[in-house]
Amino acid sequence: NAGVTQTPKFQVLKTGQSMTLQCAQDMNHNSMYWYRQDPGMGLRLIYYSASEGTTDKGEVPNGYNVSRLNKREFSLRLESAAPSQTSVYFCASSEWGGPSPLHFGNGTRLTVT
Amino acid sequence: QKEVEQNSGPLSVPEGAIASLNCTYSDRGSQSFFWYRQYSGKSPELIMSIYSNGDKEDGRFTAQLNKASQYVSLLIRDSQPSDSATYLCAVGYMDSNYQLIWGAGTKLIIKP
Repeated sequence: NAGVTQTPKFQVLKTGQSMTLQCAQDMNHNSMYWYRQDPGMGLRLIYYSASEGTTDKGEVPNGYNVSRLNKREFSLRLESAAPSQTSVYFCASSEWGGPSPLHFGNGTRLTVT
Repeated sequence: QKEVEQNSGPLSVPEGAIASLNCTYSDRGSQSFFWYRQYSGKSPELIMSIYSNGDKEDGRFTAQLNKASQYVSLLIRDSQPSDSATYLCAVGYMDSNYQLIWGAGTKLIIKP
């Protein structure tokens, strides 16, 4: 039972480069999320998808785009990476978009130089 | 700006003692409350959820919610070294849709 799978685990980018973080869940969950976690700060929501076919901005969406490819997959794209996007990124899923528990992937540690 | 506040710690507790972690929140309309545990370099995992005032117990863990005072706490009885982690408090509320606000976490160290 894989749960939530994120790739890659680590990535180093130069300023201005682009990349896509991949996320897939096998729990038949309806809602998926992308968070970033920075030292001394709580998890901050970048984008979420309440259900297949919908995406919405979270607290810190600038510089990111997302695609809900199907019910299983939710990708996060950085079009032109900036040093301020250096962070740990977590994908999560939940059964529905209300107060149901979040299941997290293992995270992607991204460094932008 | 809705906020969730936690003492960053570290909170150092002897093995076998009770660890008490606290979280305060700003929005009186908050409806759902969660405690997640995060080991260093790992992802958060849910420990407890609580939705109504009072205590909720699950094994060695007890969550306590006081909506009037706007705080939620997590007690860990018989603390073990394996409980050493950062504990994240998350508070949910309804706006135009459901929102979840996270505290920055409290680092707990259990000393053998």
